[in-house]
Amino acid sequence: ELKVEQNPLFLSMQEGKNYTIYCNYSTTSDRLYWYRQDPGKSLESLFVLLSNGAVKQEGRLMASLDTKARLSTLHITAAVHDLSATYFCAVDSRSNYQLIWGAGTKLIIKP
Amino acid sequence: SAVISQKPSRDICQRGTSLTIQCQVDSQVTMMFWYRQQPGQSLTLIATANQGSEATYESGFVIDKFPISRPNLTFSTLTVSNMSPEDSSIYLCSVEARDTLYNEQFFGPGTRLTVL
Repeated sequence: ELKVEQNPLFLSMQEGKNYTIYCNYSTTSDRLYWYRQDPGKSLESLFVLLSNGAVKQEGRLMASLDTKARLSTLHITAAVHDLSATYFCAVDSRSNYQLIWGAGTKLIIKP
Repeated sequence: SAVISQKPSRDICQRGTSLTIQCQVDSQVTMMFWYRQQPGQSLTLIATANQGSEATYESGFVIDKFPISRPNLTFSTLTVSNMSPEDSSIYLCSVEARDTLYNEQFFGPGTRLTVL
């Protein structure tokens, strides 16, 4: 059974700092997704990672995938308040197109 | 990508009643999904709805409680039946965009349900 673990679950940080959110999964998968959710809002797709060594960047966010370690990271560079949100990773289960979701990381960035 | 709308956006319902949530997509999609998200929690898949076939329910969810319709490739409904306060949650529909390599899921805005 595919399981997805995120850590940390909660992160409070100052603006300008760097930090990394980790997403571990338990069995082989072809695809890993990162989503953002603002309070009271729906989910926004950030990144899709398809292969080992994949790295994608958008602004201050960079996501990477190591399929051998079954690990993805979401790195935040020089955080700004607008990045405050909950970030979810999800892994393609290869079964019925289902995504298996991490618990989410609630990120609070203080001015 | 896909643009998805849901109705209602929120509702407050009495115990024992039922609510039907609508999900409309701006393009034809094969796969539609219904999720539940309780406050501060992750997403839990309720069922997968493909047009022309019965919905596939996940463990812990049954058709009598959460009947789903999928009459065409752009629309689906989820009914929450005989509601109890434990059904209070956000209900999200999503679709899988089968473009390029990504097979991303895109989400509707959600329906916030409170059961008294």
